[in-house]
Amino acid sequence: DTQMTQSPSSLFASVGDRVTITCRATQDINNFLAWYQQKPGKVPKLLIYAASMLQSGVPSRFSGSGSGTDFTLTISSLQPEDVATYYCQKYNIAPFTFAPGTKVDLK
Amino acid sequence: EVQLLESGGGWVQPAGSLRLSCAASGFIFGSYAMSWVRQAPGKGLEWVSTISGSGGTTYYADSVKGRFTISRDNSKNTQHLQMNSLRAEDTAVYYCAKGPGTGRFDYWGQGILVTVSS
Repeated sequence: DTQMTQSPSSLFASVGDRVTITCRATQDINNFLAWYQQKPGKVPKLLIYAASMLQSGVPSRFSGSGSGTDFTLTISSLQPEDVATYYCQKYNIAPFTFAPGTKVDLK
Repeated sequence: EVQLLESGGGWVQPAGSLRLSCAASGFIFGSYAMSWVRQAPGKGLEWVSTISGSGGTTYYADSVKGRFTISRDNSKNTQHLQMNSLRAEDTAVYYCAKGPGTGRFDYWGQGILVTVSS
């Protein structure tokens, strides 16, 4: 099965900073990659699908890129409401594995 | 408005059984794959199972294969997760999730806690 990893596992950044999270698959998953945001105590929310497509209603400061095995989620200007854990997930074929997540907090 | 409401959670002893249900509204239920995703306390997200819109195809994580069964009733806009031979490591919040496609999830329920403990 394809395994999913993310780095870093956590990060601290200031409001306005550009934040980049990396997701890696152990096998080629084409662009079948989604990103989710989970705020503390809340339900996960789909941010990006097909590696780079922004889900409706998601602010444009979020963007995704990559294909194959290497992917990136970028927050162009971090806002206080972006404090959350971010997960990437593969969905090309089952199992639809999530990566361990990246916790983003304010410095 | 899409709504997903889980029910059936609670406390159960190891080796016991529990059946989760998810009542859906706000979309054409039979047109979409549905899934269960769980989150152990303080841990990350773990995909558990997915069922196609027709119910004819199911997928399971290795960790639950042979113990859990996913099903759906498109006439009642409901999906279920029958969980047998429960273990302590199955303790988690279980989320019902709707897929615009198989394997990704654009709407999530509020989640329901399942606790497996003696």
